[in-house]
Amino acid sequence: DAMVIQNPRYQVTQFGKPVTLSCSQTLNHNVMYWYQQKSSQAPKLLFHYYDKDFNNEADTPDNFQSRRPNTSFCFLDIRSPGLGDAAMYLCATSRDRFGNEQFFGPGTRLTVL
Amino acid sequence: GENVEQHPSTLSVQEGDSAVIKCTYSDSASNYFPWYKQELGKGPQLIIDIRSNVGEKKDQRIAVTLNKTAKHFSLHITETQPEDSAVYFCAASIRNTGNQFYFGTGTSLTVIP
Repeated sequence: DAMVIQNPRYQVTQFGKPVTLSCSQTLNHNVMYWYQQKSSQAPKLLFHYYDKDFNNEADTPDNFQSRRPNTSFCFLDIRSPGLGDAAMYLCATSRDRFGNEQFFGPGTRLTVL
Repeated sequence: GENVEQHPSTLSVQEGDSAVIKCTYSDSASNYFPWYKQELGKGPQLIIDIRSNVGEKKDQRIAVTLNKTAKHFSLHITETQPEDSAVYFCAASIRNTGNQFYFGTGTSLTVIP
């Protein structure tokens, strides 16, 4: 089945130790999104790629970076995780940028010790 | 930018009863309104969506209504079942702004057997 896959599902890192989260998709969608979701809150958009065009949200901390080496893969890099970065990180895709369903992956739960 | 409000934040219903969740939005340029269901530890899954040129859409036990004049839309679940228990998020997307979703704050629905 076509889907959005996130690895790992659970990630534990230490305060200040860089971490990379991975997302892949078999939907061949042009747009990929990264969201941060804290407990009992709505997903918060960090950034998105339209093809290779990177779009950062104004309030996304510089500590968060992203790479999209090809259509299928997108990575979230957290350069120096703080305790406040512990959250669920969701990857999503959509066919285009004009009002369409976003398909979400299962998420990666990040713990910062 | 768009602001989406969602009510109630928690909702408990008896199995077989109906559940209604309401959202309001602020930007009249919003034209796509999806509803997502999120189970514990999982990514959000689309359950139904509606576009601004339609007033109502139904899919089995789930329906969504949209009132563009009043800028509100509602999710209706009939004949609720325990497996409907989850957090539900509404969202709005403004045309031609990159398919960014503005999420409501979520409703935790509990269906009591």
